[in-house]
Amino acid sequence: GESVGLHLPTLSVQEGDNSIINCAYSNSASDYFIWYKQESGKGPQFIIDIRSNMDKRQGQRVTVLLNKTVKHLSLQIAATQPGDSAVYFCAETRRGGGSYIPTFGRGTSLIVHP
Amino acid sequence: NAGVTQTPKFQVLKTGQSMTLQCAQDMNHEYMSWYRQDPGMGLRLIHYSVGAGITDQGEVPNGYNVSRSTTEDFPLRLLSAAPSQTSVYFCASSKLGLETQYFGPGTRLLVL
Repeated sequence: GESVGLHLPTLSVQEGDNSIINCAYSNSASDYFIWYKQESGKGPQFIIDIRSNMDKRQGQRVTVLLNKTVKHLSLQIAATQPGDSAVYFCAETRRGGGSYIPTFGRGTSLIVHP
Repeated sequence: NAGVTQTPKFQVLKTGQSMTLQCAQDMNHEYMSWYRQDPGMGLRLIHYSVGAGITDQGEVPNGYNVSRSTTEDFPLRLLSAAPSQTSVYFCASSKLGLETQYFGPGTRLLVL
């Protein structure tokens, strides 16, 4: 079946650097993608989303890029802070029953060194 | 608003025991769902509901039952726990048509 995966399981950066977390997806029919952040012992928290008819979307310190040609998604975090240390998941979504049902990747652990 | 709440936070069961994981939300969300998260893996959808009285299976439904009698509550039942069900369970909710899901803090379950 289709799957969502991540290239790097762990990413270590220095405080203040920019971070890039990558994600490959294989379901070309997916029309919506989401990035979640999960801190230790907590549930995932929505960061940013992007629809398949877009190639870039910016939020506060975060940018998501979508390359449909190579089925690649990335999350860029500017000026990474220690509080950004967490596991980041990408999810592709399909519509079901009037809502979107996400399929999650395995996650990338981001470690920010002060 | 309390958001999405889950109880208990931790639970230890013996093989064959039954239990119910509770999930409640106070945001009047139509869509609710249950996921399990295993080490080194992403979240996998167990069951979901688009409204009271309506439930459907996700990716890994075997061994779990759900019901949705009210908009606020979406309990997950394990009828006969197995060691393979040792995991962290997350409940989530969202408005129908809106994609942002709000997750609860999770329930850590250990089945011996």
